[in-house]
Amino acid sequence: QVQLVQSGAEVKKPGASVTLSCKASGYTFTTFYIHWVRQAPGQGLEWMGMINPSGGSTRFAQRFQGRVALTRDTSTSTVYMDLNNLRSDDTAVYYCARGFYCSGGSCYARPLDYWGQGTLITVSS
Amino acid sequence: EIVLTQSPDTLSLSPGERATLSCRASQSVSSNYLAWYQQKPGQAPKFIIYAASSRATGIPDRFSGSGSGTDFTLTISRLEPEDFAVYYCQHYGTSPPYTFGQGTKVEIK
Repeated sequence: QVQLVQSGAEVKKPGASVTLSCKASGYTFTTFYIHWVRQAPGQGLEWMGMINPSGGSTRFAQRFQGRVALTRDTSTSTVYMDLNNLRSDDTAVYYCARGFYCSGGSCYARPLDYWGQGTLITVSS
Repeated sequence: EIVLTQSPDTLSLSPGERATLSCRASQSVSSNYLAWYQQKPGQAPKFIIYAASSRATGIPDRFSGSGSGTDFTLTISRLEPEDFAVYYCQHYGTSPPYTFGQGTKVEIK
């Protein structure tokens, strides 16, 4: 069965960086994009960006450009998100989720059908 | 960037009643690439509707989606106790960012 398992909660100080991981299983890792979505306490969902695990290409929401990096390790079917220069308003639950499907050189829009359990990042001095 | 506006913010209903949730886009959503998700407290969102009107696997037929272009609706025909949750719409077409609506909370009246 498809599973996305995320790393554990972290507490960071303002200005620090954090790396979150999302390990995929139950499907061919390189055929689905991995998206990242965050949710601040009591707030809605915010799409941050995505990575194509096949070639490593990424796209980000403008507000996260330059502060977020996504990488992948195909040998372990894991995607990593680095978030730099943390601020208090980065306190949120961060989710990875599976999206676009790619096959035969083409990619097809798909909703976020499987989600990780979420990782709580707390930024506090 | 497509902005999705959901209404109402909160819907207070009793079990057995019909729920109608709206999602309006600031521009046309290509190929009706519009999804709905359900989220319960402390849980990850759960995907329930894709392509505006297709139910995800295992989703009961009391959930239905409709609409096209800029106006979309999620209908729950008869609310069950487990349906009380927050619902989000999202576009997932060809051009990011794949924004979400702000959510509609369906609460027990």
